Amino acid sequence: QVQLQESGPGLVKPSQTLSLTCTVSRGSITSSGYYWTWIRQHPGKGLEWIGYIYYSGSTSYSPSLKSRVSLSVDTSKNQFSLKLSSVTAADTAVYYCARADYRTYNFDFWGQGALVTVSS
Amino acid sequence: QSALTQPASVSGSPGQSITISCTGTSSDVGSYNLVSWYQQHPGKAPKLMIYEDNKRPSGVSNRFSGSKSGNTASLTISGLQGEDEADYYCCSFATSGTYVFGSGTKVTVL
Repeated sequence: QVQLQESGPGLVKPSQTLSLTCTVSRGSITSSGYYWTWIRQHPGKGLEWIGYIYYSGSTSYSPSLKSRVSLSVDTSKNQFSLKLSSVTAADTAVYYCARADYRTYNFDFWGQGALVTVSS
Repeated sequence: QSALTQPASVSGSPGQSITISCTGTSSDVGSYNLVSWYQQHPGKAPKLMIYEDNKRPSGVSNRFSGSKSGNTASLTISGLQGEDEADYYCCSFATSGTYVFGSGTKVTVL
C-alpha cells in the first residue's frame, strides 16, 4: 500500500514561509489518476482542504489560501511540497498530505500529519 | 466556500444505529455523487469510510453506510460499537474544482 510521510520544520516565525514535503513510498507519484493533496487541521478543529497537484504540475488551490499557497512536485524524489507564505498564528495546525483518487474524488491514503506551530 | 454543515455531536448506545447529516449546496453536495466520509480517532490521521456517496472501501465494516438526498448526505452507523467513538467528517468535490469538508461530528458511544 502507498505510504505518505510529511517532513519539515515544526516551528515557523510569523511572516515567514511554511515549507513541508511529503514523501511517497510503495507507489509512484507519477501514477496516473491521482492528485497529491495537502489538508490541514487547526488544533481541536475540523479539516481544511488546502490544494492538490498532479504529477504534471497542474494545481488547484483553496480560494481562501490561494494567494499564499504554492505546491510543487519532484518526480525524481517521489515527493511533493507545500509552501505557505506570510504565516500567522492562525496557520498553526497539523498538516496532512494525502492521495486523492481522480476517478472517485476521495482521499484514500494519508500521511500521519505534521504539527506546525507559528510563533516567534 | 463555506464548510458543509454537520451536527457537532451525536451519541448512541452500543448496538443502536445513529445517523450523521452533512448539508451543503447545489454547488457541492448536490452537484455530484462525490461525497466521502472520514473517521478520525484522537491523534490519528483520518480514514476513508465511504466514497461516491454510498460506496465502502475494501476493509470497512458494512455497519457503515452512506446516502444522499438533494444537498444533504448522511452517514449511518448501525450496531454501534465502542470503537466507533471518533470524529467523523464529510467531504464533497465542488463545481469550482475544489474540495470542501464538513464541520465534523463527534460520535459518543454511551
